[in-house]
Amino acid sequence: GAVVSQHPSRVICKSGTSVKIECRSLDFQATTMFWYRQFPKQSLMLMATSNEGSKATYEQGVEKDKFLINHASLTLSTLTVTSAHPEDSSFYICSARVQGSSYEQYFGPGTRLTVT
Amino acid sequence: RKEVEQDPGPFNVPEGATVAFNCTYSNSASQSFFWYRQDCRKEPKLLMSVYSSGNEDGRFTAQLNRASQYISLLIRDSKLSDSATYLCVVNGGQGGKLIFGQGTELSVKP
Repeated sequence: GAVVSQHPSRVICKSGTSVKIECRSLDFQATTMFWYRQFPKQSLMLMATSNEGSKATYEQGVEKDKFLINHASLTLSTLTVTSAHPEDSSFYICSARVQGSSYEQYFGPGTRLTVT
Repeated sequence: RKEVEQDPGPFNVPEGATVAFNCTYSNSASQSFFWYRQDCRKEPKLLMSVYSSGNEDGRFTAQLNRASQYISLLIRDSKLSDSATYLCVVNGGQGGKLIFGQGTELSVKP
């Protein structure tokens, strides 16, 4: 149980375009999902907390107008990287917390974004 | 000071060795503690939760010292398949946020 999927797994886009990444909890409901970014040789950095039916909470230094998050249902959250630039190239990972659990999170397989 | 700090690594050990990872955290209000494992270019996977009483899962033993704000992971009889980056993870208090350490890379050699 507790499977999280992400789509796409890998995307290459041109500078200035927007990219949407989907995160789905497949066999459970997730009122809260999290979006992380990981640069090479670095650890995961939390970007934002996505709550179903309400606005996302962004971490300090993360531009909410650049990284649009939508959590419209209990099984789907999306992250849109708008006007992507090469410095946005990274590994984006989502996670979902099982409703009522003690902070345990299950991670999606990640999306590797390359902006050329 | 980082919220979660781990041994810098990398650790290079022979098969069968025992290896210990150390981690400290700064937020005394943290309630949940975990060790995750991350293989190269993959997502982190939960290895084990860490409890105050200490817990063991096969070759893996985790310890928590709340007074010292210190967490450890011991791997006995290490296998080649244990090669990965081990992430110390602490809940950040509000809203279930998890704070990740920078990870310690382990390489087990034949």
